[in-house]
Amino acid sequence: GAVVSQHPSRVICKSGTSVKIECRSLDFQATTMFWYRQFPKQSLMLMATSNEGSKATYEQGVEKDKFLINHASLTLSTLTVTSAHPEDSSFYICSATTLAGVADTQYFGPGTRLTVL
Amino acid sequence: QKEVEQNSGPLSVPEGAIASLNCTYSDRGSQSFFWYRQYSGKSPELIMSIYSNGDKEDGRFTAQLNKASQYVSLLIRDSQPSDSATYLCAVIPRGNTDKLIFGTGTRLQVFP
Repeated sequence: GAVVSQHPSRVICKSGTSVKIECRSLDFQATTMFWYRQFPKQSLMLMATSNEGSKATYEQGVEKDKFLINHASLTLSTLTVTSAHPEDSSFYICSATTLAGVADTQYFGPGTRLTVL
Repeated sequence: QKEVEQNSGPLSVPEGAIASLNCTYSDRGSQSFFWYRQYSGKSPELIMSIYSNGDKEDGRFTAQLNKASQYVSLLIRDSQPSDSATYLCAVIPRGNTDKLIFGTGTRLQVFP
């Protein structure tokens, strides 16, 4: 139980294009979904927190107009990196919490590796 | 001071030994503590959560929490080469319902 998927697992794009990453909770309804970014040899940095049907809460220093988050349902959240640049190349990971389990336990998706050329 | 601190390692232990991973946190009011394992190029997977002072055991893993000293540790008994990974300590600080603060992780190497 508590499986989270992400799509795509890997994407390469040209500078200036936009990339959409999907995060789905497969066997549970996610009360909250989180988006993290991880650069090589560094820890996870929370980018934003989203709840279904409401605007995402962004962490300090994360540009909300660049990283668009949509949480349209209890099982799907999307992150769109707009006008991507090489410095946006990173490992993007989503996670979700579920009402069915321990309230604050986060289950992570497998991650999306973004490379911007 | 970082909110969650871990020694980056690597911590090298022989197969079959006990690996001890430590983590300290700055917010005394923190209530929820987690250990995640992350293999290279993969996302974190939950090993254990702990909320009360003392020990919590799950198979070969034991989490220990000492709120007075503000540290949480993870012991891995009978370490296996497959345990070689980065272990991330994560804390939910006081006042946050669910936002995890991660340490930088400790890299564990178990050699045959």
